[in-house]
Amino acid sequence: DAKTTQPPSMDCAEGRAANLPCNHSTISGNEYVYWYRQIHSQGPQYIIHGLKNNETNEMASLIITEDRKSSTLILPHATLRDTAVYYCIVLGQTGANNLFFGTGTRLTVIP
Amino acid sequence: DTEVTQTPKHLVMGMTNKKSLKCEQHMGHRAMYWYKQKAKKPPELMFVYSYEKLSINESVPSRFSPECPNSSLLNLHLHALQPEDSALYLCASSHQQGVGGELFFGEGSRLTVL
Repeated sequence: DAKTTQPPSMDCAEGRAANLPCNHSTISGNEYVYWYRQIHSQGPQYIIHGLKNNETNEMASLIITEDRKSSTLILPHATLRDTAVYYCIVLGQTGANNLFFGTGTRLTVIP
Repeated sequence: DTEVTQTPKHLVMGMTNKKSLKCEQHMGHRAMYWYKQKAKKPPELMFVYSYEKLSINESVPSRFSPECPNSSLLNLHLHALQPEDSALYLCASSHQQGVGGELFFGEGSRLTVL
């Protein structure tokens, strides 16, 4: 599976949009981009995933660049409860889909 | 029911003790996972079970012994652990191994080895 690069930390003001970037320049054509988050002292939580089209669900939006070498997770109106470590993971949909976590981005939402 | 339940939430054990961590899911998932997470580090994959058979062992020391008695249960037996094994142990499940990447995680069992 392709490697991902994320900034180690980011701050966001409460109520503003949080935009978390991820670089995955070695992604292959059949690999998806997955996002998870881990709130302190809890297990990781699936957020969203996509292949090449932008995706939106009740939690977030995922924007994938046309060349698929990078993506951005958007939390449209960040709340204090969104403070967490956010992991971007690239994964094939078939074969050994063992989730390997990188170091992630620690997002702090500031009141 | 979309929960993965792990027990106990906290465990303190000595280096000569034998203990077990338990994980349960009732979502009909056929793949189950153990991860280990040290403080301020990402989770690290330890074991994967697919259809109750061990399919992946990420070179985990034999003092950790996984067991999958049925499709809903996953155990991690612990024996002769070292203080450096103190960590958060996370269980997860998914529909099938190798199909999609949406894993459901439990809250974890925090293990302290004295």
